[in-house]
Amino acid sequence: EAGVAQSPRYKIIEKRQSVAFWCNPISGHATLYWYQQILGQGPKLLIQFQNNGVVDDSQLPKDRFSAERLKGVDSTLKIQPAKLEDSAVYLCASSFPTSFRDSPRATYEQYFGPGTRLTVT
Amino acid sequence: KQEVTQIPAALSVPEGENLVLNCSFTDSAIYNLQWFRQDPGKGLTSLLLIQSSQREQTSGRLNASLDKSSGRSTLYIAASQPGDSATYLCAVRGGSYIPTFGRGTSLIVHP
Repeated sequence: EAGVAQSPRYKIIEKRQSVAFWCNPISGHATLYWYQQILGQGPKLLIQFQNNGVVDDSQLPKDRFSAERLKGVDSTLKIQPAKLEDSAVYLCASSFPTSFRDSPRATYEQYFGPGTRLTVT
Repeated sequence: KQEVTQIPAALSVPEGENLVLNCSFTDSAIYNLQWFRQDPGKGLTSLLLIQSSQREQTSGRLNASLDKSSGRSTLYIAASQPGDSATYLCAVRGGSYIPTFGRGTSLIVHP
């Protein structure tokens, strides 16, 4: 079974530029998460999707960050314009089930991709 | 708002010691708790997941326990090895199904 795929692995941009990250979850996983991890800290949830709907985006800086999961499979996270403080690792994760809250297999165990390291100069 | 604290922040031990890592959370109405390991420059690897109805889970040399009433979980590592060196993170999923992470415990096991 293939794991969570992310690209690119590394990105260096100047402040005020834009950048996009891509994530493809494990096949069949309906829940997809984007996290921001700043050096020395735990991951902070930016947005959680269930299929193509947003479950939570309360910590997403919506003036500059956007995310979409149009077909309920892969997802894109965009930053425009980037700031110095956006330098971090952006992690994508996915989990079961296919129906929110209702599946007896609803463990919501998260599986992570390798992450994208963003440096803003 | 759920807050998750991990103690200690860093730990350095000789090989062979048994270890206890702690994770505490403020809201006991949780759905599950998951322990992860993160190697430098890598993503997170799932170690153990405990559902709210469970008291503990075991995998090899790892044992995780959960006490919801006191808002605590512990990860026990038996007979530590240099390959166990990594950062260990716990994530608590609340009743709203939103996960919250702690800052992690950085572990070094030296030969």
